[in-house]
Amino acid sequence: QAAVTQEPSLTVSPGGTVTLTCVSTTGPVTSGHSAYWVQQKPGQAPRTLIHGTSNKHYWTPARFSGSLLGGKAALTLSGAQPEDEAEYYCLLNYNGPWVFGGGTKLTVL
Amino acid sequence: EVQLVESGGGLVQPGGSLRLSCEGSGFTFSSFWVIWVRQPPGKGLEWVANIKPDGSETYFMDSVRGRFTMSRDNAKNLQSLQMTSLRADDSAVYYCASGGNLAYWGQGTLVTVSS
Repeated sequence: QAAVTQEPSLTVSPGGTVTLTCVSTTGPVTSGHSAYWVQQKPGQAPRTLIHGTSNKHYWTPARFSGSLLGGKAALTLSGAQPEDEAEYYCLLNYNGPWVFGGGTKLTVL
Repeated sequence: EVQLVESGGGLVQPGGSLRLSCEGSGFTFSSFWVIWVRQPPGKGLEWVANIKPDGSETYFMDSVRGRFTMSRDNAKNLQSLQMTSLRADDSAVYYCASGGNLAYWGQGTLVTVSS
């Protein structure tokens, strides 16, 4: 099965901007992978923030945005808040099966 | 209120079996894929399997294919993950997720495989 790689950890200052990326070992990430971004805070269940590369659920704060960037899926956080400190996972679809990235631990400091 | 509730986790010996259930309410459960995701203690999320709304297609991660099966009873808003030949590395919190674009997640059920 394919593997998906993310930055293990990133730090952003409050109010700052950070981009998390998601790379597939099979080649460029495309819209066909229907990239999801899932947030998980300690002790909580996961929560889907972004689906279909760039679409938000109604509960997704406007400061989060998803895109494709140079063959990668990307999650950009603009105007980071302390409550955004969490683990972020990308999830890619490979025509049926899914694969999670290893997650990015985002620290807001 | 929308809910997804997993049940059936517990302590099982290596080689044993468990049946996990995922029950949906507050949304049209029968219209959506259900996926299972697990998280070993202190580790990341791992996709395990998913099943089509009508149950006609299933997909499994390599390490569980042949040991895990899935079924669903849409009349009862219930989906099951049957796990056999369990191994220590299957130990994890198991989550189900469903709804449009994985909108809904359960709170998880803990599976511990140990002698």
